[in-house]
Amino acid sequence: AAGVIQSPRHLIKEKRETATLKCYPIPRHDTVYWYQQGPGQDPQFLISFYEKMQSDKGSIPDRFSAQQFSDYHSELNMSSLELGDSALYFCASSSGHSYEQFFGPGTRLTVL
Amino acid sequence: GQNIDQPTEMTATEGAIVQINCTYQTSGFNGLFWYQQHAGEAPTFLSYNVLDGLEEKGRFSSFLSRSKGYSYLLLKELQMKDSASYLCAVRGGDYKLSFGAGTTVTVRA
Repeated sequence: AAGVIQSPRHLIKEKRETATLKCYPIPRHDTVYWYQQGPGQDPQFLISFYEKMQSDKGSIPDRFSAQQFSDYHSELNMSSLELGDSALYFCASSSGHSYEQFFGPGTRLTVL
Repeated sequence: GQNIDQPTEMTATEGAIVQINCTYQTSGFNGLFWYQQHAGEAPTFLSYNVLDGLEEKGRFSSFLSRSKGYSYLLLKELQMKDSASYLCAVRGGDYKLSFGAGTTVTVRA
């Protein structure tokens, strides 16, 4: 069965650069969630989209923005990168508010 | 916000049973989830409870008491591959999912 796809899987950037992470949800899933997981920490909710509209906002820095496109894929744009942004970024998708969120494999971002 | 507490680490022997407790305080409640996460990998869904009681799924069972703000995940017949982090997550009234810090379970031969 198709799963959530994230690209790239690994990304290395320098401080003050920008990065774009992409997420392709499971087909027919209309809700996308973004999480940030630092080393040894639990996933922290950043932002979610339902039917291409932002539905909830968590601890997402102002330097980050995200959107969901007409084909339901989502992009997380990160600017003025800081060392502390180094983390695993997970995207999850679900059908509406159904209870199960399916997580993608994550993008490991390293900021040097 | 949500306060979710679970033990940091647990160790058990192959074939044994381990119970991971989770307590929570939330503003609104729309379900409690347990996820398994191996290092560097995505969390994978294990169980979901929204009503009080026990949900059994193979070697894994999860219990919920909403009045006590308490849940546990029971892992039976432990296998080496069960060594992982187990995350308790609560979905609040706003449908946001908040994770606990995770319990690292180490299974020893």
